[in-house]
Amino acid sequence: DAKTTQPNSMESNEEEPVHLPCNHSTISGTDYIHWYRQLPSQGPEYVIHGLTSNVNNRMASLAIAEDRKSSTLILHRATLRDAAVYYCILRSTGNQFYFGTGTSLTVIP
Amino acid sequence: DAGVTQSPTHLIKTRGQQVTLRCSPISGHKSVSWYQQVLGQGPQFIFQYYEKEERGRGNFPDRFSARQFPNYSSELNVNALLLGDSALYLCASSSGLAEIYEQYFGPGTRLTVT
Repeated sequence: DAKTTQPNSMESNEEEPVHLPCNHSTISGTDYIHWYRQLPSQGPEYVIHGLTSNVNNRMASLAIAEDRKSSTLILHRATLRDAAVYYCILRSTGNQFYFGTGTSLTVIP
Repeated sequence: DAGVTQSPTHLIKTRGQQVTLRCSPISGHKSVSWYQQVLGQGPQFIFQYYEKEERGRGNFPDRFSARQFPNYSSELNVNALLLGDSALYLCASSSGLAEIYEQYFGPGTRLTVT
């Protein structure tokens, strides 16, 4: 299983940007970096994914280091609804989704 | 459009019993995966099915089994329930198997074994 390392918890003030880091030093060339989040009492939901280039969508941005050994999920303006556990996952063809313990994000009003 | 649906929402069983959990994927999705989530931990992969064939199996005992039907819905069966099987069971569907496809998760079935 491709391994990722994330901080257990982070805090952010409402309406400020949040940078959630993920280390994946053993990433292979075919591994995609996926981010999911899980709000309380819900199933996980897709946030974003990428391979080498930075990616943007309506929810967030994904910044991938040049050597691909780390990545950062960026929430541009945190809201209370962004309070969740964020999971960074590596996935390549034929491999399943392996979730770690993720980062629990607290948004302070 | 309807998302992934799971039934039942909650379930209470006794040790030694058997349980069947059901999942209906998003229309057009041919892949269904099952996960177990114990309180305080991330989801753990159990099975993946694609076009009615098992395509992946996690590190779970043979008491866990699953199948996928021609309409792509799926069932997860757990025999000889143990207290440790108490968890949230999540189903996820996706368009395909490739690493580029995102998974869409249902709300889960909360299983309590007493």
